[in-house]
Amino acid sequence: EVQLLESGGGLVQPGGSLRLSCAASGFTFRNYAMSWVRQAPGKGLQWVSAISGSGGTTHYIDSVKGRFTVSRDNSKNTLYLQMKSLRAEDTALYYCAKDGSTEVGATFFDYWGQGTLVTVSS
Amino acid sequence: EIVLTQSPVTLSLSPGERATLSCRASQSVSSYLAWYQQKPGQAPRLLIYDASNRATGIPARFSGSGSGTDFTLAVSSLEPEDFAVYYCQQRSNWPLTFGGGTKVEIK
Repeated sequence: EVQLLESGGGLVQPGGSLRLSCAASGFTFRNYAMSWVRQAPGKGLQWVSAISGSGGTTHYIDSVKGRFTVSRDNSKNTLYLQMKSLRAEDTALYYCAKDGSTEVGATFFDYWGQGTLVTVSS
Repeated sequence: EIVLTQSPVTLSLSPGERATLSCRASQSVSSYLAWYQQKPGQAPRLLIYDASNRATGIPARFSGSGSGTDFTLAVSSLEPEDFAVYYCQQRSNWPLTFGGGTKVEIK
């Protein structure tokens, strides 16, 4: 059974940092690209970042470029999102999501975690 | 960035009725469109990928169609558990984008 378990969320002041983790199990982690998708309270879904199975290719939404870094440790089956210079508009529930295919560049999401809440506020 | 516009924003229907949801892209996404269902307090669930392929375990009452810029998600006969918010998502270009969602509510 595929499981994705996010952790690391919390309350942080504007300008602060946080590192999110997503522990994966139930599939061959290194074979699949992974993404972070966020959802602000009461709002819709927004894709944030993606990383290839090998970790060699990453993508970001413009609003987080230079502030967020996605990475993975395939020996630990874990996905990370390092977030710096956090802003109030980064407040959201952050989901990790598994690619639905091993095809290179395929990015739809067949499994999601339950999310970890990041609140940026003074 | 490809903008996905979903309509209507809210759809009020009764159980047993047919639901038809629309997703329009600002430029062609070929068939690279997925649909998700989200219920309150839950993570999204993949329903349809690449416009018309049902994901594993998704009931046959859900179907997707379209290509290019215009896509449709249909639910042939609404069950009580189908009342939720539905999102489309394109994977044709980076950044990946989602539509704003359609809420299907009980009339």
